Amino acid sequence: NAGVTQTPKFQVLKTGQSMTLQCAQDMNHNSMYWYRQDPGMGLRLIYYSASEGTTDKGEVPNGYNVSRLNKREFSLRLESAAPSQTSVYFCASYTHGRTGENYGYTFGSGTRLTVV
Amino acid sequence: GENVEQHPSTLSVQEGDSAVIKCTYSDSASNYFPWYKQELGKRPQLIIDIRSNVGEKKDQRIAVTLNKTAKHFSLHITETQPEDSAVYFCAASKASGTYKYIFGTGTRLKVLA
Repeated sequence: NAGVTQTPKFQVLKTGQSMTLQCAQDMNHNSMYWYRQDPGMGLRLIYYSASEGTTDKGEVPNGYNVSRLNKREFSLRLESAAPSQTSVYFCASYTHGRTGENYGYTFGSGTRLTVV
Repeated sequence: GENVEQHPSTLSVQEGDSAVIKCTYSDSASNYFPWYKQELGKRPQLIIDIRSNVGEKKDQRIAVTLNKTAKHFSLHITETQPEDSAVYFCAASKASGTYKYIFGTGTRLKVLA
């Protein structure tokens, strides 16, 4: 049981290049999320998928696209990378626990992306 | 839009002292408030959470209090230890629908030995 797996762990891109960040969870969770983490700004929501087949914008969606390929996988794509997208990206999944149980996100280990 | 403010941004305490981190939220419909701890280079991990129908929750040295009227909640760590040094994030959510979290900007806690 690996939880939430993100690939790659590190990536350097040149301005204008494109890439896809992969995320997969093996916990049968319905909801998945992409956050970016920048110093002093916490975790900001980029896109989320409340269930298979649906995606919605979060706080900072510009410059990104997502695909909920199936229940397990939720990918984030940068079509034309910019230096402002240099950040640490976290994928997370969430399940609706039973009443009284702790809820919460399970985070992946993160992708450190540098755009030069 | 929804917003969560978190203070202070950095906090240094002596080992054994208490630490308090405060958050305020803007959306009165929020009813679930988790706290995450992130060690250097690691992923955030849930340490405690509270629902809006509860005013306080404790788990060993960690406690969270919630004031719904004032829309603020706080994390209290007692008898701090060096391993408590990390960045702590609060978040607010409506525990239904999309379950998306709005996070605070984080507090870097340093426990000095």
